[in-house]
Amino acid sequence: AQSVAQPEDQVNVAEGNPLTVKCTYSVSGNPYLFWYVQYPNRGLQFLLKYITGDNLVKGSYGFEAEFNKSQTSFHLKKPSALVSDSALYFCAVRASGSGGYNKLIFGAGTRLAVHP
Amino acid sequence: GAVVSQHPSRVICKSGTSVKIECRSLDFQATTMFWYRQFPKKSLMLMATSNEGSKATYEQGVEKDKFLINHASLTLSTLTVTSAHPEDSSFYICSARDGLLLYEQYFGPGTRLTVT
Repeated sequence: AQSVAQPEDQVNVAEGNPLTVKCTYSVSGNPYLFWYVQYPNRGLQFLLKYITGDNLVKGSYGFEAEFNKSQTSFHLKKPSALVSDSALYFCAVRASGSGGYNKLIFGAGTRLAVHP
Repeated sequence: GAVVSQHPSRVICKSGTSVKIECRSLDFQATTMFWYRQFPKKSLMLMATSNEGSKATYEQGVEKDKFLINHASLTLSTLTVTSAHPEDSSFYICSARDGLLLYEQYFGPGTRLTVT
């Protein structure tokens, strides 16, 4: 069965410092991996995805994520955090090989709090 | 990027009444649409997947007679919460998959339902 784990409920970081939001996954077959961000009372905004190719994926707002197959991880990173990055972040996975119609499975979410 | 709209953004209804939420893909054809429910500070729970012109596939534990989903066209899906009760109060989010870009899934801004 597919699953996604985000081990941290909350991550606190000072503005200007690097941030990491962790994600590990379990899926049979090749994974399609996604990060989304959600601001209060809003839907999800797409940040980045890994489908194939380079393990380091660059996305919106200066975020990037590294796909690590051996560790089954897809951690989200940013070199220098901004207060405006404070939000709820979701990692999601979808298995390949089913005509593309498989559903996304979401992690529990990690709240990122960036302090001035 | 692709845009998905939801209407209404917020609705308050009395217990026992029915509420319809619309989800539209504005600039692409959505062969598949998804309906999620999100409880406060929780992850998204997939309720059902609908393909245009066919019956929705509901996740385990979701009452299909209570949450009626219609996907009558390639740009519109509706979720009707029938005989709503206070426990149905939640944040409902739809998403749509572009028929040509099977990896991409776009999310609506969400609908806050409050049942009094």
